[in-house]
Amino acid sequence: GNSVTQMEGPVTLSEEAFLTINCTYTATGYPSLFWYVQYPGEGLQLLLKATKADDKGSNKGFEATYRKETTSFHLEKGSVQVSDSAVYFCALIPRGFQKLVFGTGTRLLVSP
Amino acid sequence: NAGVTQTPKFRVLKTGQSMTLLCAQDMNHEYMYWYRQDPGMGLRLIHYSVGEGTTAKGEVPDGYNVSRLKKQNFLLGLESAAPSQTSVYFCASSLPGANVLTFGAGSRLTVL
Repeated sequence: GNSVTQMEGPVTLSEEAFLTINCTYTATGYPSLFWYVQYPGEGLQLLLKATKADDKGSNKGFEATYRKETTSFHLEKGSVQVSDSAVYFCALIPRGFQKLVFGTGTRLLVSP
Repeated sequence: NAGVTQTPKFRVLKTGQSMTLLCAQDMNHEYMYWYRQDPGMGLRLIHYSVGEGTTAKGEVPDGYNVSRLKKQNFLLGLESAAPSQTSVYFCASSLPGANVLTFGAGSRLTVL
């Protein structure tokens, strides 16, 4: 089946620290991969995506590389800010499917 | 642009009562979705629609019904609310292919 596994949170960091949130997946075929972010009290927003192996998605200083050999799509940022505090969801959509499959989300807390 | 609008934002029900959540989008999107978000479980798909007049079941459809009479609206109904349906409900929409979803701000439902 199709599934996404994310590291459990919360992840607690100080401002300007390096961030990694792990995401691995199981999917039929070659899925497209996504990171969505949910700020407090809001709906989810697309952060970045990658549609084929070795693609790198990037946005707002965040990056993730589609690694087919390790079935991973880890989210990284070199220097986090307090405003990055949110819940981050990894997701996939298998080729030919109509529905996104979400991970359980990882909460990030950044302190000044 | 309003994007995806959900009403109501908050609602408290008693067990056995019925209610309808309304989702409206102004982006001319073909696909629409209803998710529920529960702690530790991420987002789970309840029902979705790939066009006006069509609906399909997601992961957790039991206890819910939906209708898509107009392209811009997707209604989620609870005929007899149960405490297990206490959750935050998110509506989303997308173009065909479902690659990037636009989410509403959520509707918090409490069933006593």
